Amino acid sequence: AQSVAQPEDQVNVAEGNPLTVKCTYSVSGNPYLFWYVQYPNRGLQFLLKYITGDNLVKGSYGFEAEFNKSQTSFHLKKPSALVSDSALYFCAVRDNNDYKLSFGAGTTVTVRA
Amino acid sequence: KAGVTQTPRYLIKTRGQQVTLSCSPISGHRSVSWYQQTPGQGLQFLFEYFSETQRNKGNFPGRFSGRQFSNSRSEMNVSTLELGDSALYLCASSLQQVGGGNYGYTFGSGTRLTVV
Repeated sequence: AQSVAQPEDQVNVAEGNPLTVKCTYSVSGNPYLFWYVQYPNRGLQFLLKYITGDNLVKGSYGFEAEFNKSQTSFHLKKPSALVSDSALYFCAVRDNNDYKLSFGAGTTVTVRA
Repeated sequence: KAGVTQTPRYLIKTRGQQVTLSCSPISGHRSVSWYQQTPGQGLQFLFEYFSETQRNKGNFPGRFSGRQFSNSRSEMNVSTLELGDSALYLCASSLQQVGGGNYGYTFGSGTRLTVV
């Protein structure tokens, strides 16, 4: 079985400050990890994914994520947050032997001006 | 290129009715997955199709069914609608192959179903 935990329901940061959204996962095989963002009344927008290789993954809109196998974590980061980054963020995992994504509960990010 | 297209965007149905939702994947993508999003349960996997075959199914009652056509377009059907079926239904397409591999998933904007 595979699962994802996003321990924070909400993250609040000031514009220009670093943003971190936490994610831990559990899979039986090699993990394929994803981050998505969702704006109100919209679908999920892809940010980045980890397949294999470098533990630091760079994605869209200045976001990056660090894969840590020993801690089974895949935290999303942005060095300088923008007000427009305010949205709902989802971490997801897929086992390499499966064909479905398991999502975390989501973290609401609010960036204040 | 065109993204994942889901129709209709919004739907209002009455309890006991049935509904069919449609998803057209990105051209060349043969894998289509469906997810249900609700405030209480979050994002839950419904099923995944590849080349007209269902490869995986989530823990949903038999009222939820789907299919995929030879052009990779997919439909999902919910029969005997219940109030709890009100949700945003999301479709995702992927280049997933028979042998596995990791490709990204592109989601559509979803169909918002309201059951009254």
